[in-house]
Amino acid sequence: GAVVSQHPSWVICKSGTSVKIECRSLDFQATTMFWYRQFPKQSLMLMATSNEGSKATYEQGVEKDKFLINHASLTLSTLTVTSAHPEDSSFYICSAKTASSYEQYFGPGTRLTVT
Amino acid sequence: QKEVEQNSGPLSVPEGAIASLNCTYSDRGSQSFFWYRQYSGKSPELIMFIYSNGDKEDGRFTAQLNKASQYVSLLIRDSQPSDSATYLCAVIGDRGSTLGRLYFGRGTQLTVWP
Repeated sequence: GAVVSQHPSWVICKSGTSVKIECRSLDFQATTMFWYRQFPKQSLMLMATSNEGSKATYEQGVEKDKFLINHASLTLSTLTVTSAHPEDSSFYICSAKTASSYEQYFGPGTRLTVT
Repeated sequence: QKEVEQNSGPLSVPEGAIASLNCTYSDRGSQSFFWYRQYSGKSPELIMFIYSNGDKEDGRFTAQLNKASQYVSLLIRDSQPSDSATYLCAVIGDRGSTLGRLYFGRGTQLTVWP
């Protein structure tokens, strides 16, 4: 149990375009989902926390107009990178948790390359 | 803000040895601690969590927590080459706006050589 999927697993896009990444909890209801970004050789950096039906809470320094997060249901959250630039190229990982547990279940990640 | 410190390594041990990974945290009130393993190019996977002082064993893995000294460690017995990965220590936020949020250390890279 406790499986989180992400789609796509990798994507290449041109500078200036937008990319949407989906995060789904397959067998549980995720009241909270987290979005992380990881650059090579670095640890995970939390970008934002989203609770179902509420606006996402962004970490300091993360542009909310650039990284749009929607958590419209208990099984789906999306991250849209708008007007992507090469410096947005990174590994984006989501995680999800239920209301009754601290444990976070991680998705497999999405590797974004902006050319 | 919760600070989590880990030696970045790399830590290199021979196959069959015990690998010891250490982590310290800044918030004395922290209650819950997690160890994740991350293979290169993959997302983290949970190895163990620990809430209480002392040792917690799961197979070849033992987590140790000392809240008075504010450190948590992970021991890997009979290390295997497949254990070669980056190990991330994480502390969970347990109040207010930090509730449920994980604070990660930078990770320790472990290499087990045959």
